[in-house]
Parts: sequence; structure tokens; C-alpha cells
Amino acid sequence: QQQVKQSPQSLIVQKGGISIINCAYENTAFDYFPWYQQFPGKGPALLIAIRPDVSEKKEGRFTISFNKSAKQFSLHIMDSQPGDSATYFCAASMEAAGNKLTFGGGTRVLVKP
Amino acid sequence: GAVVSQHPSRVICKSGTSVKIECRSLDFQATTMFWYRQFPKQSLMLMATSNEGSKATYEQGVEKDKFLINHASLTLSTLTVTSAHPEDSSFYICSARLWGVETQYFGPGTRLLVL
Repeated sequence: QQQVKQSPQSLIVQKGGISIINCAYENTAFDYFPWYQQFPGKGPALLIAIRPDVSEKKEGRFTISFNKSAKQFSLHIMDSQPGDSATYFCAASMEAAGNKLTFGGGTRVLVKP
Repeated sequence: GAVVSQHPSRVICKSGTSVKIECRSLDFQATTMFWYRQFPKQSLMLMATSNEGSKATYEQGVEKDKFLINHASLTLSTLTVTSAHPEDSSFYICSARLWGVETQYFGPGTRLLVL
């Protein structure tokens, strides 16, 4: 069964701090790992994505770290801001399965001013 | 670029009626669209994959006769919830992607409330 496990379920961080969200997957055939940000009542928005041949990718304050051997990847939000308060989802997909996304359970992040 | 819209954003209907939700890719041609359902404080669950010009592929446990999907053009897919019941109340979200590109762009979602 294809699964993506995400932790923690919720996270509180002070403004300026680092938010770290972790995901683990089972299926080694996954070849694309995006992170989405979702605000209440809105659709998810793509934040950053990585492929398994890259160990780290950084875009602005967002960094993905990828550990292929451990089948784990994580999102780091540097200098967290109150506007980053949202739910974050990791996901995984494989071209062989039509790029269908399998989502993690989500992490609700609250950044306190 | 890569904007996906949904209409309506919110709909309230009586039990037993049918509701149609539209998903449009505004600035690109989407060879594939996906439909998801999201219950409060839960993750997104894929319902079906819609390819332009062909029948939708439904995930296990999703009733294809209840959730009718039509992908008539490269920019429009519709989801019709037939004979809606209160348990169908949820947040329905579509996404779209270009052929050969794995990135999915999501619509803003449609909140369905069945009374």
C-alpha cells in the first residue's frame, strides 16, 4: 500500500524560528516529492518540490532535505513568520502511476508573533 | 501562470439533488485533472483521475455512478455529485497538470453542504 507518513500533526513555533516537518514513504518507485501549503478554506498551493536524485533544494526560506536511503524527506521553514501559519502537506507521486499524488496527513503550523 | 479555478466556491443543496462543480485551467491546457475530497482537519483524498477525451479512472471505494466526471476539453472538467446526501458534505478540490509535467496545480476548492 502506498503511504506517506507525516509528522508532527501540529507545530507551534516562535516568529523567527525554524519549522521542521518530516515525511516518510514506503514505495521506492516514488519519483517526485512536492510540498503544499494550505490556508483554511483554500486549495493547496505548491511550495517546493524535489526529485530523489537531489539531497537538498532551497527556495527562499523553504528547504527540502531528502534522504533516499532512509526513505525520508523534510521541509524546513527558516525565519518563520505569522503569515506562514497554515497546514503543510507532503506528497509523493510516480510517473508510472500517472503522477497521482499520495498525500501525508498534514501538519498544522502556528507561528506566534 | 498555472491558474486553476473552480465554480461554485460554495454550494448548499437539499438531500437528493445533484450538484455540478466545474474545474477550469485558465492559462494552460490540462491533459489530466484530478478530483480530491477533503474532510475537516484531514488530508486530501484522491477520488478520480480525469483525462481529456476519455473516461475517468476512479479510486477504490469511490462510486463512479455517484460522482460523475466529465473532461470535455483541455481546460474544463466537471464533477457531478448525484443524489447528494449529508455525508457527501465536504470540500471538493480539483487539480490540473500538463502532459509530461508532474506538477499539479490546485483550484481553490468548492465547499458542498447537503442539508
